[in-house]
Amino acid sequence: GAVVSQHPSWVICKSGTSVKIECRSLDFQATTMFWYRQFPKQSLMLMATSNEGSKATYEQGVEKDKFLINHASLTLSTLTVTSAHPEDSSFYICSARDKQGVGETQYFGPGTRLLVL
Amino acid sequence: ILNVEQSPQSLHVQEGDSTNFTCSFPSSNFYALHWYRWETAKSPEALFVMTLNGDEKKKGRISATLNTKEGYSYLYIKGSQPEDSATYLCAPSGGSYIPTFGRGTSLIVHP
Repeated sequence: GAVVSQHPSWVICKSGTSVKIECRSLDFQATTMFWYRQFPKQSLMLMATSNEGSKATYEQGVEKDKFLINHASLTLSTLTVTSAHPEDSSFYICSARDKQGVGETQYFGPGTRLLVL
Repeated sequence: ILNVEQSPQSLHVQEGDSTNFTCSFPSSNFYALHWYRWETAKSPEALFVMTLNGDEKKKGRISATLNTKEGYSYLYIKGSQPEDSATYLCAPSGGSYIPTFGRGTSLIVHP
């Protein structure tokens, strides 16, 4: 149980285009989904937290107009990188949680590697 | 965002060796600590969640301890196997309940 899928796993795009990444909880309802970015040899950095049906909460320094997050249902959240530039090239990974509270486990997707040319 | 340090950054051991690594975090405002195992090309997998000082959790050959007063957790692997090769991430959480991840310890077990 507790499987999270993420699509696509790889994407290469031209500078200026937008890229949408989907994150789905397959066998549970995710009250909260998280989006992380990881640069080489760095830790997972939280970009934003989204709760179903409400606006995402972005971490300091993350542009909400550049990284659009939609959590339209309890099983799907999307991250759209708008007008992507080479500096947006990174590894993006989502996670989902079905309960709130201290110590609740996050279940991760396999990640999406984005390369912007 | 918490300051989380994991050491060592990478570790090479021989099959059968036992090993351990450390996660350090601020001891104030602590709520919980998660350990994850992340194999290449797979999703990070939750290993343990610990909340109380002195907690010790075990899963097969892997165990973890927690010291919230001094702000560290140890992960132990007994009799390492090649399939234990992965990056091990720790993620303590503070008042926001949202974990902050360390950079991880990359473990490679040589047959």
